[in-house]
Amino acid sequence: QQPVQSPQAVILREGEDAVINCSSSKALYSVHWYRQKHGEAPVFLMILLKGGEQKGHEKISASFNEKKQQSSLYLTASQLSYSGTYFCGTDQTGANNLFFGTGTRLTVIP
Amino acid sequence: GAVVSQHPSWVICKSGTSVKIECRSLDFQATTMFWYRQFPKQSLMLMATSNEGSKATYEQGVEKDKFLINHASLTLSTLTVTSAHPEDSSFYICSADYSGANVLTFGAGSRLTVL
Repeated sequence: QQPVQSPQAVILREGEDAVINCSSSKALYSVHWYRQKHGEAPVFLMILLKGGEQKGHEKISASFNEKKQQSSLYLTASQLSYSGTYFCGTDQTGANNLFFGTGTRLTVIP
Repeated sequence: GAVVSQHPSWVICKSGTSVKIECRSLDFQATTMFWYRQFPKQSLMLMATSNEGSKATYEQGVEKDKFLINHASLTLSTLTVTSAHPEDSSFYICSADYSGANVLTFGAGSRLTVL
């Protein structure tokens, strides 16, 4: 039930953009995105709900294709603070039982 | 904002002993909390859903007798790793849904090392 993320890792220079993809084989109620820095807890970035509702931070955007069970996270004008591992979490029922993706390690360099 | 506190942040124990990890929602009530484990450089794996006042729901492959979960109040869930062995060494993280907004707040995690 674990969703698959791509790419596994990406290195960016400050100011560059990145897209992280998340794909599930199951029908989804929602997709959640989190960022985790080494040794720390995951931090909520965004949730995309079936039907089009979104909740998240201003500087981060994402899309959710319900038919394909795919979501993409768009990081624009990257900053050094964006570095970390990004996980998508998929919820099939609306009960917040999240199955987390394989993770994408993002490194932003000066 | 919502805060979830975990204690201890790290623990080292001998093989065969039991370890209890606490997860507290500090400024909100959580009828449901979630427990995960994370191996180095890997993803978070959902272990179980902790329900206040009732039995936890475990994911497939997670031993109920090994990982005891108790959710005795609306602000506290505990995970007890019984008869711990070196393969139980991992990073254990809990989360709770703040205000039913489908936004999970995570604790800082507890790193367990079993010698």
